[in-house]
Amino acid sequence: GEEVAQTPKHLVRGEGQKAKLYCAPIKGHSYVFWYQQVLKNEFKFLISFQNENVFDETGMPKERFSAKCLPNSPCSLEIQATKLEDSAVYFCASSQGTSRAGNEQFFGPGTRLTVL
Amino acid sequence: GENVEQHPSTLSVQEGDSAVIKCTYSDSASNYFPWYKQELGKGSQLIIDIRSNVGEKKDQRIAVTLNKTAKHFSLHITETQPEDSAVYFCAARNSGNTPLVFGKGTRLSVIA
Repeated sequence: GEEVAQTPKHLVRGEGQKAKLYCAPIKGHSYVFWYQQVLKNEFKFLISFQNENVFDETGMPKERFSAKCLPNSPCSLEIQATKLEDSAVYFCASSQGTSRAGNEQFFGPGTRLTVL
Repeated sequence: GENVEQHPSTLSVQEGDSAVIKCTYSDSASNYFPWYKQELGKGSQLIIDIRSNVGEKKDQRIAVTLNKTAKHFSLHITETQPEDSAVYFCAARNSGNTPLVFGKGTRLSVIA
């Protein structure tokens, strides 16, 4: 598609439940990034993929968080056993990645996760 | 690693006036500096970006300046309009497809 699509728009989970977020990058883009934005503050980088391979996972919490980008499927970010502090808006971005000019990151509308 | 500071955190201007938002970065290797506009219920939209080989870039009412020596860059919005009201984020990145490092955002309010 022409835009980065994220689903669902809103997700409410009880503490301890699992949350799964999805991202469809722009067609032809080979890089996908996940960012977490807490309380409208700065974006915290979580993980990036080059196609289906993890490219950079330095921001990914070691426990409970996992992500995948499988061929012919939306990318996903999964949080096991959610905690209150996981409440945030999770943004996905994609970039072409083939040249300097193609390195602009296009952001999706985000998924607002609320953990009660 | 890179650290981006953004000021002010909130800014109110009268319609028609100019707004300036400033960011500083720490990593001298950073070479790409985008600005994003975030509106309620919408994603973050890239409004302008600048690369380290230029000092200024302009697109209609929006301009960005970069001072690599001082490691700071600024967003300038002239003739502000109510629809410019949003949260603006600056970011920096040093190469290729590394993640963006964002400032904490500036909430701009344009008062009609």
